[in-house]
Amino acid sequence: GAVVSQHPSRVICKSGTSVKIECRSLDFQATTMFWYRQFPKKSLMLMATSNEGSKATYEQGVEKDKFLINHASLTLSTLTVTSAHPEDSSFYICSASFAGERYVNEQFFGPGTRLTVL
Amino acid sequence: KNQVEQSPQSLIILEGKNCTLQCNYTVSPFSNLRWYKQDTGRGPVSLTIMTFSENTKSNGRYTATLDADTKQSSLHITASQLSDSASYICVVRILEETSGSRLTFGEGTQLTVNP
Repeated sequence: GAVVSQHPSRVICKSGTSVKIECRSLDFQATTMFWYRQFPKKSLMLMATSNEGSKATYEQGVEKDKFLINHASLTLSTLTVTSAHPEDSSFYICSASFAGERYVNEQFFGPGTRLTVL
Repeated sequence: KNQVEQSPQSLIILEGKNCTLQCNYTVSPFSNLRWYKQDTGRGPVSLTIMTFSENTKSNGRYTATLDADTKQSSLHITASQLSDSASYICVVRILEETSGSRLTFGEGTQLTVNP
C-alpha cells in the first residue's frame, strides 16, 4: 500500500514553455503533498508543501509564481513550471502523507520526473 | 554546513562483500531517522525507520543502528548484490513549532557493487 505515482516520468520542453507534472496517491488519501527538487548527486530540497484545498506553502527562495502548485483533491497534486528555462532542468519528486494511525507523518515518495529544458 | 552529513560520499565494493555507511546529524529536536535507497532516476524508497529509543533495526540484509547520544547512525549491508547499487540517503525528521515536523536530507552515499 501507500503508492505514489508521477506523470510524466520524463519531459523535454523548449525554453519559455510551461510544463505540468502530476503526483497521485494511488491507494490512499493524501492530506499533505510535498514537492522536492533534486540536482545530480545532491540531496532532495523541499520546494513546497500543500494541503488539499488550501494554498501551498513555499520554502524560502522558491518562486511561487514560477512553480504553481495545485492540490485540488486528496489524491492529486500538480506542479506547473511556468516559462521554463534551462536552469529549471532537474529531477522533481513528490511525496504524500496522510494522518493514518500507523503512518502518521510518514512520507511516501513518487518515482520522480526528469525535466529537461532546451 | 549540512545538518545531516553522510560518509563516505561514494563507495565501490565487490559483490558479496559487506559495507557500512555512516550518518551524523546535528539537527534537533529529533523525531526519527530513516534510511532510504534511491536508484538512479527513481524516487527514494524507505529501508528502515528508528525513533529515539531504538538502537537497531533490520530489514533483510539491511541493518541500521542509531546512537541518539552521539547523533550517529549507520547502515550495514551484508552480502551485497549488484542490485544494491544505488544512493543511500539518511533522513532525519525534526520537530518544528510551525510545521509540526520537517525532513532533513543527507546528500547520500553512492554505492556501486561490482561483479
